[in-house]
Amino acid sequence: SAVISQKPSRDICQRGTSLTIQCQVDSQVTMMFWYRQQPGQSLTLIATANQGSEATYESGFVIDKFPISRPNLTFSTLTVSNMSPEDSSIYLCSEITGNEQFFGPGTRLTVL
Amino acid sequence: GNSVTQMEGPVTLSEEAFLTINCTYTATGYPSLFWYVQYPGEGLQLLLKATKADDKGSNKGFEATYRKETTSFHLEKGSVQVSDSAVYFCALSGRGYQKVTFGIGTKLQVIP
Repeated sequence: SAVISQKPSRDICQRGTSLTIQCQVDSQVTMMFWYRQQPGQSLTLIATANQGSEATYESGFVIDKFPISRPNLTFSTLTVSNMSPEDSSIYLCSEITGNEQFFGPGTRLTVL
Repeated sequence: GNSVTQMEGPVTLSEEAFLTINCTYTATGYPSLFWYVQYPGEGLQLLLKATKADDKGSNKGFEATYRKETTSFHLEKGSVQVSDSAVYFCALSGRGYQKVTFGIGTKLQVIP
């Protein structure tokens, strides 16, 4: 099974700043996903990130707010830009290998 | 579009009690169905899955049966343990195992 790590594991940020979350997979994967889990709510897909192409964003999410990089088959970053308290969430990266979806441990973001 | 409805928690049970967490879904075609578990401080893990009608997924004493006639995938365990305390997410995906749609999550607390 794939092992996914994320950095940072948690952060507290000031309103108006940006944070970049890193996701590292221990094997090469084609598709990676970024999810958001707001307090007391379910997981919501932000975007799908394929290596070598632009990320595909879900309804309600835009590239200017959540720019994503996918420089190679084992790594991706998600930036949360111009943060507001409403961005306080757990952000998870994910990938699919052999018909199973694996998740990273998440990055717990608090925006003051 | 696809959606998942699961019972809201928290659910508090005594050790060795019987557990049922209800999950119903709306989807076109024949989705795959999943239960994920999130232990405190950890990432999501796949608990069990079923890919076609009448399939039963099972793992760690948990079971769920894919009921197409009632569009349900209820999670059951005959005798819960304190170590089962976690948040449980029902989820589905369409063909090709992409864009997993999650339920809201049900927090289970098992007390000795």
